[in-house]
Amino acid sequence: NAGVTQTPKFQVLKTGQSMTLQCAQDMNHEYMSWYRQDPGMGLRLIHYSVGAGITDQGEVPNGYNVSRSTTEDFPLRLLSAAPSQTSVYFCATTAVSTYEQYFGPGTRLTVT
Amino acid sequence: SQQGEEDPQALSIQEGENATMNCSYKTSINNLQWYRQNSGRGLVHLILIRSNEREKHSGRLRVTLDTSKKSSSLLITASRAADTASYFCATELLGGGADGLTFGKGTHLIIQP
Repeated sequence: NAGVTQTPKFQVLKTGQSMTLQCAQDMNHEYMSWYRQDPGMGLRLIHYSVGAGITDQGEVPNGYNVSRSTTEDFPLRLLSAAPSQTSVYFCATTAVSTYEQYFGPGTRLTVT
Repeated sequence: SQQGEEDPQALSIQEGENATMNCSYKTSINNLQWYRQNSGRGLVHLILIRSNEREKHSGRLRVTLDTSKKSSSLLITASRAADTASYFCATELLGGGADGLTFGKGTHLIIQP
């Protein structure tokens, strides 16, 4: 099992460009989340989903959109990239029985 | 805003020594988790302690929870070079526990060989 996968691993965008960060899981977990991690900081929740067709906002949702059409995939869209969105982005799933979260390897995004 | 705060921010010890890091949080919780992050990698779950538990062990890890003080500690015994990483405590952000966590800024632990 691959667990949680994220693509791409690295990305450089110009201000105003849009892009989609991909996240896929083969763990059959209903709950999925997106976090961003800035230097010297913990993770902050952007958006989360409790199942296909259901998404909601976390702590820092502005500038990001999500959708959840399948259990496996949870893409994160940057609508118009800004330098403040330079960060490392992590996708995670949650095992509801234990509340343990499983993280992907991250996407390092730089916006110039 | 971030719920948990780890202390110290950085810790450097000799291999074989014990490492203790602390976490304080602000609001009542159902459970508290500890995660490890190696440089450039995603977070890995270490241990979860429920609000009705006071102490929990997993291998060389010992976690305590004091809900009256809203604090937790993570003890790593007999440290190894491979324990060098950042350690984060996390609590549920939105009350449900499964739909998102809030993390502290972490303790960066360095094990000197």
